[in-house]
Formats: sequence, structure tokens, C-alpha cells
Amino acid sequence: ILMTQSPATLSVSPGDRATLSCRASQSINTNLAWYQHKPGQAPRLLIHGASTRATGIPDRFSGSGSGTDFTLTISSLQSEDFAVYYCQHYINWPPYSFGQGTKLEIK
Amino acid sequence: QLVESGGGLVKPGGSVRLSCEASGFLFKNASMNWVRQAPGKGLEWVSSIGPISTYIYYADSVRGRFTISRDNAKNSLFLQLDRLSAEDTAVYFCARVSRTSAALDLWGQGTLVTVSS
Repeated sequence: ILMTQSPATLSVSPGDRATLSCRASQSINTNLAWYQHKPGQAPRLLIHGASTRATGIPDRFSGSGSGTDFTLTISSLQSEDFAVYYCQHYINWPPYSFGQGTKLEIK
Repeated sequence: QLVESGGGLVKPGGSVRLSCEASGFLFKNASMNWVRQAPGKGLEWVSSIGPISTYIYYADSVRGRFTISRDNAKNSLFLQLDRLSAEDTAVYFCARVSRTSAALDLWGQGTLVTVSS
């Protein structure tokens, strides 16, 4: 199963909303996770089950979708939110398959 | 937390053993993974191992060259990398599988392996 993220780069102003997309090449139901990754740091689980926030994740992060099309929305972007975001499916894992990532940068 | 070690500069064809020390949770109950990130690239799953090593899986790109193992008595995960090539240059992360989903809910900060002559 291939995971495709769009856009590759997203430029957004602090305080604005960011919408990131992830598409699976076949249905994965809601077996989808989103991760945030900053340079030199450990990746951080944000969302699992397509829409369930992981422990300690602020409610400005929300996930939606099922089947093949998924969205991560970050409302009111904070400075610490600028990072690379990856989607990943875990249906019938392994293998785990990650999307190629979306770089969220400051506009 | 998870803390990786063992990375460094390795010659093509060489070997290196990575370690991941776990703390703060029941390591013996957790499925574990290695994931890597080549320079300028995204995340790539490498290998998985079950809590008592009853299952082990590898990505096609590393099968036959890499060996995953664990020592539950020492709360440690390992990855033996053999017959290395430049394409294996990457930061290697260890990651825990969540008990409530199959997402990876805890990651280390990674250790860099550079394969170069």
C-alpha cells in the first residue's frame, strides 16, 4: 500500500489553519497515524486511528478520514508547529508504510 | 524513553551494531521497530520484533543483511547491520508499537550511521 501526501511543502502564517492531505493506494479503513518530526528530534505521534489524538497532543491538532483519503488539520498554527508531518498506515503491518512527508513552513 | 547508540562512520561492506535502551515502561511487553531516515529523505520502516521475539520482519531493502534482536532482561533492542552500502546511510530510530493501536507511540532521537570510504 502506497501513501501519498500533499502538498510537499505548505507555507502558512502563524495563527492560520493548515490542512495536510494523505491518500492511500487502497482502503486502510482508519488504520492511519500522523507524526510530527523536527530536525534532530524524535518523531512524535500526533494522531492514531485516523482521528484519535495521542496522549498530550493539543486539541488544535485534528485528524479525519477513512478508507483512502485522510486529512490532518492544525488550527491556529503556533511557532512550534512548523515541522515535517508524515502519515503512516498500519493495516496488516508490517510493513509499515509512510508518506513522503509534508513540510510545514512559516509564510 | 528510548535512547539509541552505536552509530558512526563505517566503510562500505562493513558492519555496525545499534542499540536502543528502553526505560519507563514494561519493555518485555512491547513490540519494537527500527525506522530510518536517509539524508534529505522521509521515514522508512526497517524491521519489527515481537515482545518475546516470536515474530521478526524486515523491509525488502535490508532483509538478509540486517538482524534485529532484543534482550528483555536488559531492556534493550538491537540492530546488527552487515554488508553496508552508501544507501544505508541514515539516522536510525527505535520505536515502540502502541498497545492500543499499531501506531508507533514512542521514539528515540536516533543514531546516525554513515557508510563511506
